[in-house]
This record gives sequence, structure tokens and C-alpha cells, in this order.
Amino acid sequence: DQQVKQNSPSLSVQEGRISILNCDYTNSMFDYFLWYKKYPAEGPTFLISISSIKDKNEDGRFTVFLNKSAKHLSLHIVPSQPGDSAVYFCAASAVGGGSNYKLTFGKGTLLTVNP
Amino acid sequence: DAMVIQNPRYQVTQFGKPVTLSCSQTLNHNVMYWYQQKSSQAPKLLFHYYDKDFNNEADTPDNFQSRRPNTSFCFLDIRSPGLGDAAMYLCATKGQGRGVDEGKLFFGSGTQLSVL
Repeated sequence: DQQVKQNSPSLSVQEGRISILNCDYTNSMFDYFLWYKKYPAEGPTFLISISSIKDKNEDGRFTVFLNKSAKHLSLHIVPSQPGDSAVYFCAASAVGGGSNYKLTFGKGTLLTVNP
Repeated sequence: DAMVIQNPRYQVTQFGKPVTLSCSQTLNHNVMYWYQQKSSQAPKLLFHYYDKDFNNEADTPDNFQSRRPNTSFCFLDIRSPGLGDAAMYLCATKGQGRGVDEGKLFFGSGTQLSVL
């Protein structure tokens, strides 16, 4: 049973436009959310995160929005660039996990930014 | 400048032949994880070490074992690989401190395992 869901396997956008990647979660214990980016033949790299006490976090072209009541978060990339083409994973955790801290991942969304 | 290093990048083994994947880290992080990722699937946590304490996920098959001889190294042993074990295996680390890196996992490049 998937606790973190990314329902869009792929997304294609034009360079310069906004990319919006969505993620839903079911576990109400999750209180920390991360987005990872993965290029082919490389491991995931951290992109941006948000704590459940916030509803928005911004870092340059990347903004993550969290709607706790809907158990939904989204990653906005503005403007999108061809180098952003990659698989984006949504991940969630319960920060208070202590020694049992772990990330639960979604299946990922393949973003293609066309020049 | 690699901080989490996985060797080899590609591993081919035969059905039923034991195989070991390795991971090393230069971050001095106390937590190390092994994830399995199959094509178009979410990375799935197999187990993790918190210092020397081993934490196995409930649904990880007994076929998968792990060793952590010291802080820097962690190994994934697959005792009798089956065709269904072909996947990307990702090692990750996490530090204990608070600050900007709190909660983040740092991943290696992965080992792509093929089972013939």
C-alpha cells in the first residue's frame, strides 16, 4: 500500500514555462517532505524540503507547497530549463522517528523540458 | 568529491550465486540505508543501520543481509539472487546533527544488479 503517491509518471513542458509536479500522501504521521531529483545512472540528489509547520518553501526557481488538510504537496519549477529534465521523487518522513528515521518515496515523475 | 560511493556501478551475477554490493562514505554519518529500486517503482527501503544497530524492514526477504564493519562501510549481501532481485540498489547516509542537512539522506550513484 503506497503511502506516497505520484500519480503522473511523466510531464512534458516547454522551456521557460512552469513545471508543476504533484504528490499525495496517506500517512498522517508524516511531517517532513522532500523532493529529490535523479538523472539516469546517478543516485537521487536532494532538491528542496518542507516541514509540516509551513505551507511554502522557496529556493531559487524551486518552490514546494504543502496542503496538510488535503495531504498534498507540489513542486513548482519556474522557469523550467532543459537541464531540469530528470525524474523527480517525492519523499516523506516522520521527523520524530529517531533511530528509526526513514524516507518513504513515491514512484517518481519523469520531467522533460523541451527547448 | 564523491561522498557516498557505491561499487561496482554495474554487477552481473548468476541465478543463485551469492553477490555482495558495497557502499562507503566520507561524511562520517551515523546512519546508513539500503534501498532497492526496480524500474518505474519507488525506491523501497530494505534496512538501515543506526550506528551499529541493524533495523530490518518487516517485508525485506531473508535472502537479503547486511554488514556494517565500521562507520564508513556498509555491505549488502544477496545470498541466493533470483531473477526478481534484478534492480538498482541505492545506498544512502544521514547525519545526526541538526541544521540545514537535518532529515536529508545523501545517496550514492547506485549499483545496477543484473541476474542471469
